[in-house]
Amino acid sequence: QQQVKQSPQSLIVQKGGIPIINCAYENTAFDYFPWYQQFPGKGPALLIAIRPDVSEKKEGRFTISFNKSAKQFSLHIMDSQPGDSATYFCAASSGNQFYFGTGTSLTVIP
Amino acid sequence: ETGVTQSPTHLIKTRGQQVTLRCSSQSGHNTVSWYQQALGQGPQFIFQYYREEENGRGNFPPRFSGLQFPNYSSELIVNALELDDSALYLCASREKGGRNYGYTFGSGTRLTVV
Repeated sequence: QQQVKQSPQSLIVQKGGIPIINCAYENTAFDYFPWYQQFPGKGPALLIAIRPDVSEKKEGRFTISFNKSAKQFSLHIMDSQPGDSATYFCAASSGNQFYFGTGTSLTVIP
Repeated sequence: ETGVTQSPTHLIKTRGQQVTLRCSSQSGHNTVSWYQQALGQGPQFIFQYYREEENGRGNFPPRFSGLQFPNYSSELIVNALELDDSALYLCASREKGGRNYGYTFGSGTRLTVV
């Protein structure tokens, strides 16, 4: 059973657009929600993360919005660039184990 | 450049064989986790080691085992390989006392079972 559901599966935006990737979870014991960026042939790299006591977090062009009551969180990428083209994974954790979403393949067209 | 190094980068094995994958973490990273990432999927947690002892395991059978060494290196051993074991295997480590967000992933080993 997928602990974290991610959508959309793929996304294409123009340069400067704001792609939004959504994730939902069921387990209320999760207390840490990171987003990872993965390029082909590389391992996931941590982009930004949030804890459930905060509704929004910004780091550079990346913003996480968190809705605890709806058990949903999303990643917004401001002023997207072709170099942002990658696969993005949301994840949730409580303790040792991360549960990852199925990934979103983002393509930013110049 | 990540501080976690995995070897080999690619590997082809025959069904039924055993395989050992290696991970070298940076100094001070005494917690290591292993993940399996099937093509087009998110990583799935296999297990975690802390101070050379397994202290967490995902939904993987016992033929997936591991070792962690005092020099911050670790191994993932898979016995009796099956075709479905073909995947990217990722190692992630963090420093002593680090929270979950301290994990650094390696670039992975691509295992193909034929």
